[in-house]
Amino acid sequence: EDKVVQSPLSLVVHEGDTVTLNCSYEVTNFRSLLWYKQEKKAPTFLFMLTSSGIEKKSGRLSSILDKKELSSILNITATQTGDSAIYLCAALVLNFGNEKLTFGTGTRLTIIP
Amino acid sequence: NAGVMQNPRHLVRRRGQEARLRCSPVKGHSHVYWYRQLPEEGLKFMVYLQKENIIDESGMPKERFSAEFPKEGPSILRIQQVVRGDSAAYFCASSPSGPLGYGYTFGSGTRLTVV
Repeated sequence: EDKVVQSPLSLVVHEGDTVTLNCSYEVTNFRSLLWYKQEKKAPTFLFMLTSSGIEKKSGRLSSILDKKELSSILNITATQTGDSAIYLCAALVLNFGNEKLTFGTGTRLTIIP
Repeated sequence: NAGVMQNPRHLVRRRGQEARLRCSPVKGHSHVYWYRQLPEEGLKFMVYLQKENIIDESGMPKERFSAEFPKEGPSILRIQQVVRGDSAAYFCASSPSGPLGYGYTFGSGTRLTVV
């Protein structure tokens, strides 16, 4: 069965700190790795990673995929209270000819002012 | 440009009743996905539909759950004879032309509580 594991499950840091969130996957027919931010409502898309070793950046957030280690990290620098959310990673897999997302349980990040 | 609209936002049902959750995809999107999120858990894939077709229902419980995406109107996730374990947040996502994660847009979810 496809599995995506995230760590830590929860993380509390002070504003201004840098955090690293981890995601590992054991899936068949892997296509890409995606990161989402979920606040109180719908998950919002952050990054999609398909190639190993190429960092994607968006402001203070960055992410990279390591296909050899079957893992990805999401970095957030100079954290702000607005970064408090659940961060979900998902593996996009090919399933009977169709693609679908398999999600991890998420990392709950809390930023203390 | 409205995103994915789900309603109701909150739904309370007594055990044994039926729950109907609706999802209107982004205008022009013809692919709809339903996910369930139990407390303290990640999103679990349930079903993938295109207009009038179920493409992949490998995540759907075999009994009591059904989904449709008619030619006209929203996609419906239907849960018959609800039980306490069905209490969860149900999210719908749509995409314009099949998966490819970055094309997914999620709705705000329906929180079902079974009492």
